[in-house]
Amino acid sequence: DAGVIQSPRHEVTEMGQEVTLRCKPISGHDYLFWYRQTMMRGLELLIYFNNNVPIDDSGMPEDRFSAKMPNASFSTLKIQPSEPRDSAVYFCASRDGQTSTEAFFGQGTRLTVV
Amino acid sequence: DQQVKQNSPSLSVQEGRISILNCDYTNSMFDYFLWYKKYPAEGPTFLISISSIKDKNEDGRFTVFLNKSAKHLSLHIVPSQPGDSAVYFCAASGQGTSYGKLTFGQGTILTVHP
Repeated sequence: DAGVIQSPRHEVTEMGQEVTLRCKPISGHDYLFWYRQTMMRGLELLIYFNNNVPIDDSGMPEDRFSAKMPNASFSTLKIQPSEPRDSAVYFCASRDGQTSTEAFFGQGTRLTVV
Repeated sequence: DQQVKQNSPSLSVQEGRISILNCDYTNSMFDYFLWYKKYPAEGPTFLISISSIKDKNEDGRFTVFLNKSAKHLSLHIVPSQPGDSAVYFCAASGQGTSYGKLTFGQGTILTVHP
């Protein structure tokens, strides 16, 4: 398996634009997580899904952020409109809830909003 | 509300010496703890874990200690090597509202000098 795949690796956008981050989890994993890494707060959990259903979105900063998981092999995190303070590295991770507590991370998307 | 805290942003150690990274948590529902290592431009990778029924887990040069009464865990690396230089994240998982997800600390930057 290729691991968790995120795209794009880097995104630079202007304030006010819509940004969509994409994630393909490891096949067979039933949990999917979206995290944001910042210097101040480390790895913040934004939202997570179990069997494609959002379980906890309490970490989503505000209504400008939304996430979907239309099927077991794809998820998106959308920011609309984007703001400079959204600049961070966004990670997607997946986990097999039946066999492991360990989550496997993608390489991340570095988002810069100018 | 930071439920997992790593109070030392950075640690500098000489090659061959011991590195000790610390982590504190506040949520008594946490029952499983993990350490992740992160290199620049990569996603975090799993390093070692411990269940709350144990107080120590060892894997090669890496040992994790858990003190449940103090809600404290630590990662010991002996001997430290320059390749260990990375950001180390402590994470916790548990029951109740913590079920299924990993809550991370802010991370500690470890630098091992040759």
